Amino acid sequence: AQKVTQAQTEISVVEKEDVTLDCVYETRDTTYYLFWYKQPPSGELVFLIRRNSFDEQNEISGRYSWNFQKSTSSFNFTITASQVVDSAVYFCALSEIGTASKLTFGTGTRLQVTL
Amino acid sequence: GAGVSQSPSNKVTEKGKDVELRCDPISGHTALYWYRQSLGQGLEFLIYFQGNSAPDKSGLPSDRFSAERTGGSVSTLTIQRTQQEDSAVYLCASSLLMGNSPLHFGNGTRLTVT
Repeated sequence: AQKVTQAQTEISVVEKEDVTLDCVYETRDTTYYLFWYKQPPSGELVFLIRRNSFDEQNEISGRYSWNFQKSTSSFNFTITASQVVDSAVYFCALSEIGTASKLTFGTGTRLQVTL
Repeated sequence: GAGVSQSPSNKVTEKGKDVELRCDPISGHTALYWYRQSLGQGLEFLIYFQGNSAPDKSGLPSDRFSAERTGGSVSTLTIQRTQQEDSAVYLCASSLLMGNSPLHFGNGTRLTVT
């Protein structure tokens, strides 16, 4: 069975601080995909990144970066110089390769960025 | 182009009534998914469609829940004899049927059973 754990229920930071959202996963599969989604107050889930289990290179996209470590089954997400618009619930998710994107989600981390 | 469209955005119903939730996926997306998001919970997979067939219904919580998809496009999730525990946000997503293409989600239908 697959499982995704986001131990941080809620995080509050002041604008311009860096913040890391943790994600730990469990799977018996040797190949899989990991995802991060953002859910702003409007409610619509927005895709941020997909990473396959073959590729452990870290990825950076603007102020966002992701640290995938297969050895610790973690896929952490860092926002550098946070902004108020980053306030949202962030979900980490896992899917087996070949299951057409059926995702197992974590329970989400609510990030509150204040001025 | 247009994103995934769900209707209604909000639905309040009395316990015991049936409800239908509609999802209109992104044009050309052959895969369609229904998820449920309860307060304080993560997203729970309900059912997956590939075209008009549903190869995976494993997440439907009871036989009161059913879904269909017609014309490889619009999908309807039906909940019969609603119970208070059915109250949640029901999210629909669609994707290309290639590898593990990212899911594109709609805004959801917030269902409240009184």
